[in-house]
Amino acid sequence: TQLLEQSPQFLSIQEGENLTVYCNSSSVFSSLQWYRQEPGEGPVLLVTVVTGGEVKKLKRLTFQFGDARKDSSLHITAAQPGDTGLYLCAGEVDMRFGAGTRLTVKP
Amino acid sequence: DTGVSQNPRHKITKRGQNVTFRCDPISEHNRLYWYRQTLGQGPEFLTYFQNEAQLEKSRLLSDRFSAERPKGSFSTLEIQRTEQGDSAMYLCASSSGTQPSSYNSPLHFGNGTRLTVT
Repeated sequence: TQLLEQSPQFLSIQEGENLTVYCNSSSVFSSLQWYRQEPGEGPVLLVTVVTGGEVKKLKRLTFQFGDARKDSSLHITAAQPGDTGLYLCAGEVDMRFGAGTRLTVKP
Repeated sequence: DTGVSQNPRHKITKRGQNVTFRCDPISEHNRLYWYRQTLGQGPEFLTYFQNEAQLEKSRLLSDRFSAERPKGSFSTLEIQRTEQGDSAMYLCASSSGTQPSSYNSPLHFGNGTRLTVT
């Protein structure tokens, strides 16, 4: 089993601020997936990163896969209250999840 | 595509009772996963099916837990002799991944069954 560590565990910021959350492992992954989960719902896929060094953008969200494919980061620009949620990463092949980063964006 | 459906949404049971949850995946998806999630934590892997075959089961899963996917479509997760520590959200997810694969198709989750053991 490939373990994923996410940091920080909790993050509370004001609307308009930028933030970065991390997903790290000592293992190499074929790909990593990022999900966001809101209370009472299942996680929803945001993006899959496949190639080492890859950068993907989804509106204000920027995802990066480390060159060695052991880590990934998610950067949010000008955070909004609607970004509030639990951000999770999961590694392929075994589809195990990290513990997540719980983000709260205050208006 | 009606999404992944889980029933019931909530289940309250007394310690020692058996419970069964159902998951209906997206119809063309051949992979089905069960996860358990406690408050503030990420989903914890329980088991995984490829069609009707249960290919992996977490070592954390005690013998009180059993899952089936008899026809490669819907799946059930049964917990026997429930304990208070079983209280959690039980999530089901499906995907269309095939073996061998360079990377998985994304997981599509249901909204879970919240179990409370009193």
